[in-house]
Amino acid sequence: GQNIDQPTEMTATEGAIVQINCTYQTSGFNGLFWYQQHAGEAPTFLSYNVLDGLEEKGRFSSFLSRSKGYSYLLLKELQMKDSASYLCAVRDEGGATNKLIFGTGTLLAVQP
Amino acid sequence: GAVVSQHPSWVICKSGTSVKIECRSLDFQATTMFWYRQFPKQSLMLMATSNEGSKATYEQGVEKDKFLINHASLTLSTLTVTSAHPEDSSFYICSASAGGGPGTFGSGTRLTVV
Repeated sequence: GQNIDQPTEMTATEGAIVQINCTYQTSGFNGLFWYQQHAGEAPTFLSYNVLDGLEEKGRFSSFLSRSKGYSYLLLKELQMKDSASYLCAVRDEGGATNKLIFGTGTLLAVQP
Repeated sequence: GAVVSQHPSWVICKSGTSVKIECRSLDFQATTMFWYRQFPKQSLMLMATSNEGSKATYEQGVEKDKFLINHASLTLSTLTVTSAHPEDSSFYICSASAGGGPGTFGSGTRLTVV
């Protein structure tokens, strides 16, 4: 079956660094995505990994280990506006269309 | 960049009526449209995938006769919730893709069935 796990909630302090983990077990793999979603809004794309290693994009970095079925999203210099849900999604390579399978999401609360 | 417009952003309807949600790709041709549903405090669940001109492929457990998807053109897909019931109240989001990518999300539609 398809299984993508993330911690349900996390709390961090403004200015600090936080790491959000994601583990996955899927029948196929064609890349892993991280999205940010504020309440009542659609998700916005943050990062994409298809090969092992670290991808850095400003304050956000994402890491992937395909052999371990593991990824993390690293947020640096946290700001209050970073309080949101963070969704990990795996692209399934099955069939003619590469669909995304989303994890449970991690609700991050940034405190002053 | 790729822009996807979803309409309406929110709708309230009476139980038993039907509601149509539109998803348009404004500056690209969307060969594939994905429709998701998100219940409060839960993640996105894929409902169906549609390719332009073809019948939609529904995920297990999603009733195709209740959630009608039309993708008649490369820029427009619609989701119609037929005979809506309170348990259909949810946040519905589309994602439009041009050739193999995961897609760009629309802004979502908050459906409340009373």
